[in-house]
Amino acid sequence: QSTLTQPASVSGSPGQSITISCTGTNSDVGSYDLVSWYQHHPGKAPKLIIYEDKKRPSGVSNRFSGSKSGNTASLTISGLQAEDEAHYYCCSYASSSTWLFGGGTKLTVL
Amino acid sequence: QLQLQESGPGLVKPSETLSLTCSVSGGFISSSDYYWAWIRQTPGKGLEWIASIYYNGRTYYSPSLRSRLTISADMSNNQISLKLTSVTATDTAVYYCARLGGLEVFWLGNWFGPWGQGTLVTVSA
Repeated sequence: QSTLTQPASVSGSPGQSITISCTGTNSDVGSYDLVSWYQHHPGKAPKLIIYEDKKRPSGVSNRFSGSKSGNTASLTISGLQAEDEAHYYCCSYASSSTWLFGGGTKLTVL
Repeated sequence: QLQLQESGPGLVKPSETLSLTCSVSGGFISSSDYYWAWIRQTPGKGLEWIASIYYNGRTYYSPSLRSRLTISADMSNNQISLKLTSVTATDTAVYYCARLGGLEVFWLGNWFGPWGQGTLVTVSA
């Protein structure tokens, strides 16, 4: 598999919650608790927001949460804010010392 | 605060070699706590991990690019370099460098951060 599968776009209104899925296989997402998520505002450096499936780095809002079931990981953003509008990417270790990223999801805050 | 800054030629001709440098400040690439990685984003597509390097010289490459790639570390200048040979238009991308951490959980690391802002490389005659 060359990339993890993410929806191309999701949208939500301020205050709502949205969930972005990230589907892999039992050779990557399903085999390791090593899914991470990144927020990317165009022109800026991508930012780590979730690691090891569900952990949040220091300084990241608790409105961001991660989970996983089988070969699908999910990122949930609650209490949507305008500043959350960005691209989101998942990533997983994929065996043989390689890493796979998802195709990215554009979040639009309506 | 750790900062990474990529630099490169901007424009490379087809069949030539692309050379990029990542300058690291606020920390040392000689640390055994982290790997250092290159990741690229091609136009209209997602992110693609390219290569990683450890302080002891251990390297890992994307299987699809392995034959054309070399990642190296310059400890004296605290820089990570990437060379990609025989480039084509499909190598046009924004190239990012990033620290790869989490070795206490998984020996190859498990999260990328921080990242540099990236450098755009266009392959065109």
